[in-house]
Amino acid sequence: DGGITQSPKYLFRKEGQNVTLSCEQNLNHDAMYWYRQDPGQGLRLIYYSQIVNDFQKGDIAEGYSVSREKKESFPLTVTSAQKNPTAFYLCASSIYGDRVSMNTEAFFGQGTRLTVV
Amino acid sequence: AQTVTQSQPEMSVQEAETVTLSCTYDTSESDYYLFWYKQPPSRQMILVIRQEAYKQQNATENRFSVNFQKAAKSFSLKISDSQLGDAAMYFCAYKSAETSGSRLTFGEGTQLTVNP
Repeated sequence: DGGITQSPKYLFRKEGQNVTLSCEQNLNHDAMYWYRQDPGQGLRLIYYSQIVNDFQKGDIAEGYSVSREKKESFPLTVTSAQKNPTAFYLCASSIYGDRVSMNTEAFFGQGTRLTVV
Repeated sequence: AQTVTQSQPEMSVQEAETVTLSCTYDTSESDYYLFWYKQPPSRQMILVIRQEAYKQQNATENRFSVNFQKAAKSFSLKISDSQLGDAAMYFCAYKSAETSGSRLTFGEGTQLTVNP
């Protein structure tokens, strides 16, 4: 089945450590996104990528890094520079949006809950 | 940059009744897509309905319909015959059709409670 997979579901990090959240999709989508969701709040864009080997900062990129070496994969690293990393992280993907396409919506993974201990 | 605003942090509705969730957005573009997503307690994001800005006809998906007012930059979601399973956080989202593969911007969400 086609879909988007995030792992792990739960992740614990000690202060000062870097951690990497995995996001893989087999939908052949060009665009991929990382969002952060804090309790009772909306989704804030961290990074997004339109094609392999290219990505753009979103609204809250500080303390995060990404790579896009393969079309299927878009891992997110939460670095020690991120002062408040405890949150729910969602990865999404979508096709190359254009006027003709009907399937322009984003598909989401099930999320990773990151907790700093 | 585009912004999306949902002015109702919480809404409630009686089972079988109708409820409307509001969304406004700000953009200088003329060609874009709008979406409503549902996030139940499982936190899985589920697409409810989509609207292409160049289409004047309001989108409808079973009990869900939108009122798209392009000039007013308004995109409300109407849920008819509300069911207990409709209880969730609802997010409005914007995506440009003028910038290929563009960012997807979300509002802050509306928490919908359905009372039996």
